[in-house]
Amino acid sequence: KAGVTQTPRYLIKTRGQQVTLSCSPISGHRSVSWYQQTPGQGLQFLFEYFSETQRNKGNFPGRFSGRQFSNSRSEMNVSTLELGDSALYLCASSADSDPNYGYTFGSGTRLTVV
Amino acid sequence: DQQVKQNSPSLSVQEGRISILNCDYTNSMFDYFLWYKKYPAEGPTFLISISSIKDKNEDGRFTVFLNKSAKHLSLHIVPSQPGDSAVYFCAASAGQTDSWGKLQFGAGTQVVVTP
Repeated sequence: KAGVTQTPRYLIKTRGQQVTLSCSPISGHRSVSWYQQTPGQGLQFLFEYFSETQRNKGNFPGRFSGRQFSNSRSEMNVSTLELGDSALYLCASSADSDPNYGYTFGSGTRLTVV
Repeated sequence: DQQVKQNSPSLSVQEGRISILNCDYTNSMFDYFLWYKKYPAEGPTFLISISSIKDKNEDGRFTVFLNKSAKHLSLHIVPSQPGDSAVYFCAASAGQTDSWGKLQFGAGTQVVVTP
């Protein structure tokens, strides 16, 4: 079956702009989580959506937001980009009911802010 | 605050030998632990997990041990193969009290398997 698909793979934006990243989970998965990976901070949890509702949120400023659609696809948006937002953004999906299968990650979107 | 810690940033092991990766945590509410492997420019790949009600879980060459009293877990890879060279992340979840979808990750351990 198809894995978690993230688009685009690479993105270059200018400071002050906004960006929207997309994540299509594995078919049947209802939970989608987003993570930011940077060399200095490692993998940090952004937020999680389940059945179109944000269920959990990490310690990121309000410039980071997300949403989930009825087909479980999710988007995250970063407004007023800062240089420090340059990172690999990963999304992961899970069926939620059985954590034994872990969370399946996509290949990520590499965002560079210049 | 770093609730999941991997204190060894790197590990070098010979092919065929055992790799032991360690992870410590501070949050007693964590009830599920996972190990992921990550290659550059790819997302993490799930390896193995363990519930807090168990102290050991095996899957092929991978075994995870959990010591709840010490808040410590380890991943054993036997035998190590060249394809195991990657960064390994330990992650924890407080699913029962928080959300399964929120994982706290360690900083990772770079494993290099030499011939």
